[in-house]
Amino acid sequence: DTEVTQTPKHLVMGMTNKKSLKCEQHMGHRAMYWYKQKAKKPPELMFVYSYEKLSINESVPSRFSPECPNSSLLNLHLHALQPEDSALYLCASSQEAAKATNEKLFFGSGTQLSVL
Amino acid sequence: AQKVTQAQTEISVVEKEDVTLDCVYETRDTTYYLFWYKQPPSGELVFLIRRNSFDEQNEISGRYSWNFQKSTSSFNFTITASQVVDSAVYFCALRGYGNKLVFGAGTILRVKS
Repeated sequence: DTEVTQTPKHLVMGMTNKKSLKCEQHMGHRAMYWYKQKAKKPPELMFVYSYEKLSINESVPSRFSPECPNSSLLNLHLHALQPEDSALYLCASSQEAAKATNEKLFFGSGTQLSVL
Repeated sequence: AQKVTQAQTEISVVEKEDVTLDCVYETRDTTYYLFWYKQPPSGELVFLIRRNSFDEQNEISGRYSWNFQKSTSSFNFTITASQVVDSAVYFCALRGYGNKLVFGAGTILRVKS
């Protein structure tokens, strides 16, 4: 199984809603990532978890709250988002430590988020 | 600082044409890795190739080939005999030691039948 599975595929939420994005991998990878991708732009790193601990937070606003319940799961909790947060949110995983230079990232298909 | 430049925003070709996607990078690291990813309309980024900074050997995989030239800091990607299924956004990316993966802006490839 070489897949990273993300749910839901599409999400529409109001600015007062609380929702969560989910990501799962069963490749035994120990590093997991959240990326944000605006339309026609490259992915931008948000968070990195290495061995279930948050290792990188790219100065992401607190309305985005990541969680790594175990080595296979990664969540992104959303609260009080703004319309400009509408984007494709991609989850990725890699085999070992997040700072290893040669790590190949496996990406999910993403959650297309619209904030109204 | 690390930077990846993909100067071609969009390329359109007719099926069976060869097409080359350009990638130029900047880094001060002596050890680094270069990557190409493909993003089809379905959204997921698909890994295509990884090349380390000490290996300038060109690589061919089926219709895909990559030309790494350290002297010009370029890592170009050629698709031979393009097919409609090759239509996607292609990202070149760079990762130095201890650093995050930095993506180029991407090149949209449209292959028409």
